Parts: sequence; structure tokens; C-alpha cells
Amino acid sequence: AQKVTQAQTEISVVEKEDVTLDCVYETRDTTYYLFWYKQPPSGELVFLIRRNSFDEQNEISGRYSWNFQKSTSSFNFTITASQVVDSAVYFCALSEIMDSSYKLIFGSGTRLLVRP
Amino acid sequence: NAGVMQNPRHLVRRRGQEARLRCSPMKGHSHVYWYRQLPEEGLKFMVYLQKENIIDESGMPKERFSAEFPKEGPSILRIQQVVRGDSAAYFCASSPGVSMNTEAFFGQGTRLTVV
Repeated sequence: AQKVTQAQTEISVVEKEDVTLDCVYETRDTTYYLFWYKQPPSGELVFLIRRNSFDEQNEISGRYSWNFQKSTSSFNFTITASQVVDSAVYFCALSEIMDSSYKLIFGSGTRLLVRP
Repeated sequence: NAGVMQNPRHLVRRRGQEARLRCSPMKGHSHVYWYRQLPEEGLKFMVYLQKENIIDESGMPKERFSAEFPKEGPSILRIQQVVRGDSAAYFCASSPGVSMNTEAFFGQGTRLTVV
């Protein structure tokens, strides 16, 4: 079955620390997409990244970077020099296409608290 | 190009009332998805619709919940006789089509509180 596991329920760091959020997935598909979303206290979902299963190159966007390792079925997210505004719940998600249906399978989220 | 629009943003209903949540997809998108986020949990897929058709309702509760996406107008998620356990954030997403390359865009959600 398709599954996304975010084992870290809550992480607390001090501003300027680096922090890594873990994501492990299970899928029967050979082609799939992985996503990260941010949900700030205001509640909306902010799209961060989408990664194709064939593209294992790490990606960097400003203070954000993603490490995709197909061998360990992991898609970890690192925030460098964290800031208070990074405080949010972060969700990892996996795409699933089956019987003409499309859906995202979400992890349970990691709540990140960045303290000043 | 406006994004996915959901309204209302917040909805309060008494137990036993009906809740209607609306979702207008992005322009040019004919595929709509509804997800539910219970407090302190991740999002869970509920239903996937195309215009006038329900494609996959495998995540919908068997009773009291229904969804439609008419030829004209927004998609509606309807919850009849709401109970406290229905209190959650309901997110809608839309896409132009369905393929492995599909990118779905999410609305800002409707927060339903049942009192």
C-alpha cells in the first residue's frame, strides 16, 4: 500500500540552526511524484516542491534543500539557518494514480517550532 | 489567473445542520479533489470529480457526505446532519487533467466547526 511516514511529530530549534525533516515513503509504482507542503499557523497549504521519481538530483532553493534517495525511499527536507517565520507544520506527500484516479497520500506532518 | 477559490473560509454549524462547502477550480481546470484534515492530522483524500462525474469517492464517509461538480458552477461538498467529529479543515484542489505529471493546486481551505 502507498504510505508516507513522517516520524518526527514535532521539532524545536533555535533560530539560525539547521534542521532536517524526514520523510519515508512506500509505493508499488515505478513512476511517482513526491511533494513537500508548508502549513503556517494561518492554515493554508503552501506548495514547496514536487520531485519526479526519476530525478534523484538534490535540489536547493535558497535556504531550502531536498535530498531524494530512492534506495532508502526517503525524501528529506533541510532548512538552513532557520528563521522564526519557518515555524509551521510541514507535510510530505506521494502521488498515486490508480484506475484513472489521482490522489496525494500525505504524511501526518512535522510541526517545526523555531524559537528566537 | 485566480487560484482555487474556496468559500466560506470559516463555517460554524450546530449539530444536525447541513454544511455546504464550495470550491471554484482554477480557470481551465476540470478536475477537482476534496481532502479533509482532522485536527492535528495530515490531509486525507475524500473524493475526485470531473465535470458532472464522480471518478473516485473511496475516501468519502458512507453516510451524510456527498459531492458534486456540475457543468456550471463550483464543486460542492455537502455534509448533512453534521456531528462534532466533522469539525475539520476541508481542502479542495484542482488540475487540468490527470496523468502521472499532474500538478494539483490547493485552495485555502474551509474550516468547519460544529458546535
